[in-house]
This record gives sequence, structure tokens and C-alpha cells, in this order.
Amino acid sequence: AQSVTQLDSQVPVFEEAPVELRCNYSSSVSVYLFWYVQYPNQGLQLLLKYLSGSTLVKGINGFEAEFNKSQTSFHLRKPSVHISDTAEYFCAVSDIADQFYFGTGTSLTVIP
Amino acid sequence: DGGITQSPKYLFRKEGQNVTLSCEQNLNHDAMYWYRQDPGQGLRLIYYSQIVNDFQKGDIAEGYSVSREKKESFPLTVTSAQKNPTAFYLCASTPDSGDTQYFGPGTRLTVL
Repeated sequence: AQSVTQLDSQVPVFEEAPVELRCNYSSSVSVYLFWYVQYPNQGLQLLLKYLSGSTLVKGINGFEAEFNKSQTSFHLRKPSVHISDTAEYFCAVSDIADQFYFGTGTSLTVIP
Repeated sequence: DGGITQSPKYLFRKEGQNVTLSCEQNLNHDAMYWYRQDPGQGLRLIYYSQIVNDFQKGDIAEGYSVSREKKESFPLTVTSAQKNPTAFYLCASTPDSGDTQYFGPGTRLTVL
């Protein structure tokens, strides 16, 4: 089974500053990679996904992530955050058995 | 609009009572999933179903039951055997390609 590690449980950042949320996964076999965002008392919304091809993936709300196979990482970045980006962010991995594995989440707080 | 609906959004029950959470999707997805979310623990898989009339236990199935009589519906029953049922419950589904998981808005269950 896969495991997904989100290295930071909480990330505070000032408005308009850049942010990086880190994600590492356990296996080097072929996987699909995802980032989801969750606002309070809501379901998870897909931000972006990597299936194949270019290692730099662009998503909604100005977020992007880079797949690094050698480091088994899929870090999420945004060059300038907004107050509305305050939310919980989950990294997820799907393997060839179509099982999904989620990290424990990173709480992003944007400070005015 | 296509999507996943969960009802109700908030549910209160007395200890010792069984309760059923609804999940319906009109995306024509074959696979459906139930997750439990507790603060700081990410998502934990309760049950999943890849086809009608078939389902498998996830990591924390004890105290829960499901049925899959129709492709569109995957209700979850929280039984009195579940020792700590208060949590946020998320339903999800994936298309045939299995490459992305889509989530409903969630149901927050509080057992008094």
C-alpha cells in the first residue's frame, strides 16, 4: 500500500506572499497524483492532478505542482496567495489498483 | 448538473441508534467510496464498491454497513456498534478510468 506524507500540518503565510505545501509518497511505481482543497464543512474539490506527461501541472485558482519521480514528491505552489486560499489542502495518490491514499492534510492560513 | 449529493448536511442522533447517510451520484460512475474524516487524521476509507451488488471493507469498516442496489446510490449505515461515530463523512466516486476521485459535500454526524 502507498503512504502519503504531508510534511507540514499548518502553514501560515502573509497575503500576496508565495507558498509551497509539501507532499511525498512512498512508492516509485506508476501512480497518479492529486491535490485537493477543502473549505470548512465542505467536500474536497480537485485542484490539479498529474497522470502523465509534463511534470509541471497547473490547476485552478493559480496553483501549480511539480512531479519529481526521483524524490517521490509532488509539492504544491502558488506565487501569491489570497485570503480566500485559506483552507485545508490534501495530497493524494492513486495506484494501479485504483485505490486512493490521502495525506493528513495541511492547513493553510493566509494572514492579511 | 452532474454531481454527488449527500443528505442531510448535519445529522444528530442519540447514542445507541443506527443512522443511515445518503449518497447519490448522477455521473454514471461505477465506483463509489465512503470516508470518515476526523481532525488531524485526514481521510480514512470505510467501504468501497466498484460495481452494483458488490462492496469491500476499507481500513475502518467495523461498526458500519453499506449496500449498493443501484449504480447511483451507496448509503452508509452507522450502527450502534461503532464506538465513536461523531465525525464528518464524505462520499466519493470515480469514473471507469479510475483516474480521479470526486467528492460530495459531506455529512456531519453528531451522536449525543
